[in-house]
Amino acid sequence: NAGVTQTPKFQVLKTGQSMTLQCAQDMNHNSMYWYRQDPGMGLRLIYYSASEGTTDKGEVPNGYNVSRLNKREFSLRLESAAPSQTSVYFCASTFWGGGRSGYEQYFGPGTRLTVT
Amino acid sequence: RKEVEQDPGPFNVPEGATVAFNCTYSNSASQSFFWYRQDCRKEPKLLMSVYSSGNEDGRFTAQLNRASQYISLLIRDSKLSDSATYLCVVRRQGGSEKLVFGKGTKLTVNP
Repeated sequence: NAGVTQTPKFQVLKTGQSMTLQCAQDMNHNSMYWYRQDPGMGLRLIYYSASEGTTDKGEVPNGYNVSRLNKREFSLRLESAAPSQTSVYFCASTFWGGGRSGYEQYFGPGTRLTVT
Repeated sequence: RKEVEQDPGPFNVPEGATVAFNCTYSNSASQSFFWYRQDCRKEPKLLMSVYSSGNEDGRFTAQLNRASQYISLLIRDSKLSDSATYLCVVRRQGGSEKLVFGKGTKLTVNP
């Protein structure tokens, strides 16, 4: 199993450009998440999808849109990039099964985005 | 007040030292608790869950005090490979499928 994969690994955008970050998981997890991580700010939830066909806003959704394409894939789109969106973006997935191994979030390797 | 607060660190300790990290959470309805580890420029990974009775995994011991809304992580006999940032993580009650992450405490173990 590849776990959680993200593309691209690195990206540089100019202000106003758009792009989509791709995420896929092969663990048959029902929930998927997008976070951003900035120095001194920790991980902040942008959007999440509890199950295929549903999406909900997290703590910092402004400037982003998401699509849960199917159970495996969850993409994050920046329609008009701004320098404030320079960050490291992590995708994660979870099977909410409870028990001692439930709720563990598996993270992808991250996308380092710079907006100039 | 932030929902999850951790010692800001950084902690610099010699190999073999014992080091403890503390974390407090503000939502008394929080249900599940975890410690994640994040290596430099890598993704976070689950280190251990934290149970009400306390739990141990090798050199790592996690404790939970619900009355004080306090979580701790103790690392004994520190190794160079323990150098990382440790994230305190809380899941809210009520079926929420979201986790709330602390900002992390950076640990450097020196030879």
